[in-house]
Amino acid sequence: GAGVSQSPRYKVAKRGQDVALRCDPISGHVSLFWYQQALGQGPEFLTYFQNEAQLDKSGLPSDRFFAERPEGSVSTLKIQRTQQEDSAVYLCASIGGQVGASYEQYFGPGTRLTVT
Amino acid sequence: TQLLEQSPQFLSIQEGENLTVYCNSSSVFSSLQWYRQEPGEGPVLLVTVVTGGEVKKLKRLTFQFGDARKDSSLHITAAQPGDTGLYLCAGAGNPGTASKLTFGTGTRLQVTL
Repeated sequence: GAGVSQSPRYKVAKRGQDVALRCDPISGHVSLFWYQQALGQGPEFLTYFQNEAQLDKSGLPSDRFFAERPEGSVSTLKIQRTQQEDSAVYLCASIGGQVGASYEQYFGPGTRLTVT
Repeated sequence: TQLLEQSPQFLSIQEGENLTVYCNSSSVFSSLQWYRQEPGEGPVLLVTVVTGGEVKKLKRLTFQFGDARKDSSLHITAAQPGDTGLYLCAGAGNPGTASKLTFGTGTRLQVTL
């Protein structure tokens, strides 16, 4: 597709369940970011990949959060033993990174996670 | 914890009115970006400002970066219902690099007929 896609768009999980959120970046984009956006707030940085390497995971709120990008394209954000405070929209963004390319972050539509 | 404070948090105005949104930080950023986000979608970049004192115009939108590169404003002239959305400022790193964004608290704008 032409843009960043995320799936599922909506996820309802019972407290304690594990969830996996998928991000398909724009084809060929080198850099990928995950952000968490609580209701009524601006997004907050979670983690950053350059190709398959996770270069910054300083924003992950706890060790229940884990992200991977094994082949340098699709990324998965996994949350184990979900808690109510994990309820938020999870946004993925990608950047081209090639010489001469724009460094604009292109965002996907997000996955709205509700933990009950 | 968000380092960038936006004001106002919510603004409801009628079509044709002017408005200004402010973004303030105690930190200096190499560049600052403004985004607009509509319900169910991700943020979309409107502009990037880099130089202290810089002013950029995008049709009816005017963006200004403070001299000390710690604050910014967005002014909309003659607002239209299509301007409705969540406006976010974001501190970024050096242009031309892939850097994480530090978003502001957001300003929700509603423009009615």
